[in-house]
Amino acid sequence: DAGVTQSPTHLIKTRGQQVTLRCSPKSGHDTVSWYQQALGQGPQFIFQYYEEEERQRGNFPDRFSGHQFPNYSSELNVNALLLGDSALYLCASSLGTAQFFGPGTRLTVL
Amino acid sequence: AQRVTQPEKLLSVFKGAPVELKCNYSYSGSPELFWYVQYSRQRLQLLLRHISRESIKGFTADLNKGETSFHLKKPFAQEEDSAMYYCALSRTVIQGAQKLVFGQGTRLTINP
Repeated sequence: DAGVTQSPTHLIKTRGQQVTLRCSPKSGHDTVSWYQQALGQGPQFIFQYYEEEERQRGNFPDRFSGHQFPNYSSELNVNALLLGDSALYLCASSLGTAQFFGPGTRLTVL
Repeated sequence: AQRVTQPEKLLSVFKGAPVELKCNYSYSGSPELFWYVQYSRQRLQLLLRHISRESIKGFTADLNKGETSFHLKKPFAQEEDSAMYYCALSRTVIQGAQKLVFGQGTRLTINP
């Protein structure tokens, strides 16, 4: 089991563009959470998906949306990118209460 | 509101010395506390959680509800302990994961 995987590893976009990040959970895990980690900060919770529905949401604008597929993989979409969206985006999967993180996608918005 | 505070951004100790990374939290309900570690060029990984009450890589952490703290301790630091450490909190539930609230992290450096 490769654990949680994320793609792409790095991404460069310009302001106003849209981006889609992808996450495959650890084998057997049914819940996927997304976090944003700005430089020098701890991860901040964006939202969580379970049974293909958004179960919890953090304090992020509607520009941030997501999806979970029947195979439990997930996507994070960000519309109308701002410079402040530049960050490391982490995906975490879980079956019980412990969450296991992927390597992240580094998004740079120019 | 849930909040986690790690008062030290940087901590440097000598090999063989004791280590304590501080974590304080505020939460009105019953929390579940975690320590995550990130070694250089590696992903964030779970180090330990208070409900399991186990020692991982020689580290222990005790939840002190009176002082709302969950400090991470190790009696004798090793060079391989150098990493970024994050304390995190979630709401206690019977099943399923809840959102994690992270502190800002402490970068631990073990000097030879």
